[in-house]
Amino acid sequence: DGGITQSPKYLFRKEGQNVTLSCEQNLNHDAMYWYRQDPGQGLRLIYYSQIVNDFQKGDIAEGYSVSREKKESFPLTVTSAQKNPTAFYLCASSQTYNNQPQHFGDGTRLSIL
Amino acid sequence: GESVGLHLPTLSVQEGDNSIINCAYSNSASDYFIWYKQESGKGPQFIIDIRSNMDKRQGQRVTVLLNKTVKHLSLQIAATQPGDSAVYFCAEVGGSNYKLTFGKGTLLTVNP
Repeated sequence: DGGITQSPKYLFRKEGQNVTLSCEQNLNHDAMYWYRQDPGQGLRLIYYSQIVNDFQKGDIAEGYSVSREKKESFPLTVTSAQKNPTAFYLCASSQTYNNQPQHFGDGTRLSIL
Repeated sequence: GESVGLHLPTLSVQEGDNSIINCAYSNSASDYFIWYKQESGKGPQFIIDIRSNMDKRQGQRVTVLLNKTVKHLSLQIAATQPGDSAVYFCAEVGGSNYKLTFGKGTLLTVNP
């Protein structure tokens, strides 16, 4: 089945540590996105990529980094500069950036040890 | 600034009843709207969408209504079932900026 796979489901980070969240899609979509969701809140955009080898900052990019070396993959690194990383992270994709809707993976829950 | 909000943060209904979830938006340039359903521990699931040149769109057991005059969006679920229990988000895409803006969500609880 086509879809978006996020791994791991749960992730723990120690203080001062960088961690990388994986997102893979086999939908042949050009655009991919990373969102952060806090309890009782809507989704906030971290980074997005319209096409391979391109990405732009979203609303809350500080403390995060991404790469888009392959069409199907858009990993997110949560760096030690992100002071409040505990959240539910969601990856999404759409056929193109201006062709919605976005389809989501099942998320990675990141917690601080 | 842009905002998407919900009138009711929680909604509790009896199984078999119809549910109506409301959403207000403030960006008059928004031309595309989406409803998502999110179950606990999962990602949002696309339900239905509507473009601004329409005022109603129907899917399977769901209907979305758009009132551009008062910038209001609603999701109607017919014959609500326990499996419909989830958080429902509306989202809008505004004008030439294709950014998707989400509301905070409404928790729908269906009582058997």
